[in-house]
Amino acid sequence: GAVVSQHPSWVICKSGTSVKIECRSLDFQATTMFWYRQFPKQSLMLMATSNEGSKATYEQGVEKDKFLINHASLTLSTLTVTSAHPEDSSFYICSARQNRGGAINSPLHFGNGTRLTVT
Amino acid sequence: AQTVTQSQPEMSVQEAETVTLSCTYDTSESDYYLFWYKQPPSRQMILVIRQEAYKQQNATENRFSVNFQKAAKSFSLKISDSQLGDAAMYFCAQIIQGAQKLVFGQGTRLTINP
Repeated sequence: GAVVSQHPSWVICKSGTSVKIECRSLDFQATTMFWYRQFPKQSLMLMATSNEGSKATYEQGVEKDKFLINHASLTLSTLTVTSAHPEDSSFYICSARQNRGGAINSPLHFGNGTRLTVT
Repeated sequence: AQTVTQSQPEMSVQEAETVTLSCTYDTSESDYYLFWYKQPPSRQMILVIRQEAYKQQNATENRFSVNFQKAAKSFSLKISDSQLGDAAMYFCAQIIQGAQKLVFGQGTRLTINP
């Protein structure tokens, strides 16, 4: 089945530094990828929608200058948390839509998530 | 607006029994899909079942079935013959045509008692 690889699975960084999280579709092309954030014992909150070759669409309340998203190819999207602070500590999950004309019933595959801890 | 509501933060069931998880949603769109995802302690999101809004027949996947009430905007998940491996967080989710994005409910933590 389709696989989405997310890397790293966990990362610890110091306050003020930047962290990059990669999301790769291993055996399919993904025109659209999504980035979610999940706090402990809470739901997945959509941060942004990433479309290959264009700017990401951010959800209301998400700082686009802090959470930089790049989707340079059909198999890779990256999320960079810039100038990270302890409140950015969370679980970040990406998902990728298998490219079948962009139909909403195209399968959505999730990465295993990245646990970010900012000290 | 696109909202999904799960009113049961926690549920528990005895092993081999049946449990139903509730979900309601709110959209004015007519073309949409509904999903139930399972998130075990590993945090991996696993698709359990999906329902197309235009289909009247309730979806079933082995021990998992849904009760889709379109007029009431209700989409409950029934797990039959509960197994210890079913213990997880369960999220109801919706995607609507045009919006493209998958929106999740708050989640229900399911505990299976041996």
